[in-house]
Amino acid sequence: LAKTTQPISMDSYEGQEVNITCSHNNIATNDYITWYQQFPSQGPRFIIQGYKTKVTNEVASLFIPADRKSSTLSLPRVSLSDTAVYYCLVGDGPLFDSGAGSYQLTFGKGTKLSVIP
Amino acid sequence: DTAVSQTPKYLVTQMGNDKSIKCEQNLGHDTMYWYKQDSKKFLKIMFSYNNKELIINETVPNRFSPKSPDKAHLNLHINSLELGDSAVYFCASSQRRVTLERTEAFFGQGTRLTVV
Repeated sequence: LAKTTQPISMDSYEGQEVNITCSHNNIATNDYITWYQQFPSQGPRFIIQGYKTKVTNEVASLFIPADRKSSTLSLPRVSLSDTAVYYCLVGDGPLFDSGAGSYQLTFGKGTKLSVIP
Repeated sequence: DTAVSQTPKYLVTQMGNDKSIKCEQNLGHDTMYWYKQDSKKFLKIMFSYNNKELIINETVPNRFSPKSPDKAHLNLHINSLELGDSAVYFCASSQRRVTLERTEAFFGQGTRLTVV
């Protein structure tokens, strides 16, 4: 399983752009990079996914350098409601050889983002 | 129209009891999961289940067993509850894809289990 390393916590003021970097030095060729967000007392929620270069959706952007050994989740102009734990996940591929495979999400420790008024 | 729903939301029980947590998904997904989030907020996979194939995290005690009456349900049964079982349990579902792309998973709201 590819291991990920993220900062344990980050603080940011409202309105600022927040960048959370995740290291995944042993990422496999077939692995995608996925980020989830978890609010207190809720289950994780998918934010964004990418393989290389840059991906952008209505919530965030994901920057992945050419070597893919790290990735950066960028949240533009954060608000208080963005206070949550953000998890970086790297794909671990099929678990058995049936041809169909089954994917398990392996969560690291996550980054606790606190947005300050 | 909740995508993944779990019941109950809170469960308080005594040591030694047997309890179940129910999970249902209305997304038509073919894979369901159970995760455990402990007091330190680490989220760990317990089981994944699809097409009648069960994959078990080897660290999960055999007091825990998933049961799937149909494709839309994956219930978690716990026998002889222990204090260390206290945690938040999350159910999730996804659609298995035979591609390189990871699939998005949808999580329930969680069940907070407290063993006293």
